[in-house]
Order: sequence, then structure tokens, then C-alpha cells
Amino acid sequence: QVQLVESGGGVVQPGGSLRLSCAASGFTFRNYGMHWVRQAPGKGLEWVAFIRYDGSNKYYGDSVKGRFTISRDNSKNTLYLQMSSLRPEDTAVYYCAKDGGATDYRIDYWGQGTLVTVSS
Amino acid sequence: DIQMTQSPSSVSSSVGDRVTITCRASQDISSWLAWYQQKPGKAPKLLIYAASSLQTGVPSRFSGGGSGTDFTLTISSLQPEDFATYYCQQANNFPLTFGGGTKVEIK
Repeated sequence: QVQLVESGGGVVQPGGSLRLSCAASGFTFRNYGMHWVRQAPGKGLEWVAFIRYDGSNKYYGDSVKGRFTISRDNSKNTLYLQMSSLRPEDTAVYYCAKDGGATDYRIDYWGQGTLVTVSS
Repeated sequence: DIQMTQSPSSVSSSVGDRVTITCRASQDISSWLAWYQQKPGKAPKLLIYAASSLQTGVPSRFSGGGSGTDFTLTISSLQPEDFATYYCQQANNFPLTFGGGTKVEIK
């Protein structure tokens, strides 16, 4: 079965950096695009970033563009999110998620999430 | 960016009720719309994709409809396990965007 396990969350000061990882299993990782989606406490879902199966194209939400970088290592079945210049409004649970669409960008599997808290 | 507007933001219903949630896109997204269910403290779960296709394993009481800019999610007979928050998502263009959510509560 598909498993996505995030790690790397924690408390960081404003302006700091953090790298999230997501270990994938139960499917052929190198064949699928992957997403990061976040959810601030008590708020709705916000899409953060997407990377194609081979890493050839990356897309970002407006609020993180220029500060966050999505990447992947297909040899390790691992997805990453490098976050820099962090702001208090980046505080959220960050979900790693698998793209399900051959024809669209639906998300068919989600990890359990990792909490990032940006606070002094 | 495509804005997704859900209504209502919350609804109180009883077990056995029929519930319909609407989602409106700010521009034509054809049928590239997905619906998710999220329970407190849990990750979202895909229910419907391509506006009306039921994800494998999802009960048939869930159905989706619409195209273009107006979409619906219907639960034909609400069950106790259906009390949750529901989100729509346009799956057509980057940046991907979600609706604000609809909380289905017990009356």
C-alpha cells in the first residue's frame, strides 16, 4: 500500500530555514509527480509546490515562490522541501502528497503531515 | 490564479439526510475538479476526481457533478462517519487552488 512519511518539522525562528523530507513506498516513485500541501492551524488547505516525476518541472504557490524549493531523489524514493526566509505565516502542517492524475493534478494519497512552527 | 468558492461554509444535518455542497471556479476548468474529505487531525482523503469519477473504495452515496465553473458534491444519505470537512480543488492549472472548505456537522 502507498505510504508517505514526512519528517523534518519543528520550531524555527523567523528568517530561518528548514528542510522537510518525505519517504515514499508502496508505488513506483519515479513514475509520479509529487506535491507539498500545507494547512495552517484551524485553516483550510493550501497547495505549496509540485514536481514532475523526473524533476524536470517545478511549480510553486505564490506565497512561497522564491523562498521554498521542491526536489526529489528517485534513487532514494524521497521528496524534499527546502524552506528558507521562513515567516510566522508559514506555520502549518505540511503534507507530502502523490499526484494521481494522468490527465489532471488530483492528489490521491497523502502523508500524515509534519508540523512546522515559525516563532521567536 | 483560479479562485475556488465553496458554499455553504458549514451545514448541520442529520443521519440519513441528503447533503449537497457547491463549488464555483472563477474561470472555466472543464471537469478538472476534485473533492476531498478531511476529519480532525487526519490527512485529507480523495473522494471524487474529474468532477464525477468516484475514487476506488469510496462509498457510492458520494457523487459529484458539474463542469465549467459550477460543481456539486452530494452525499445521498449521510452516515455518522461522514461528519467532516469537505474541500474542492481545481486540478487544471498551476497554482492549484482549494476551496475554503465546508464543515458538515451533526444536527
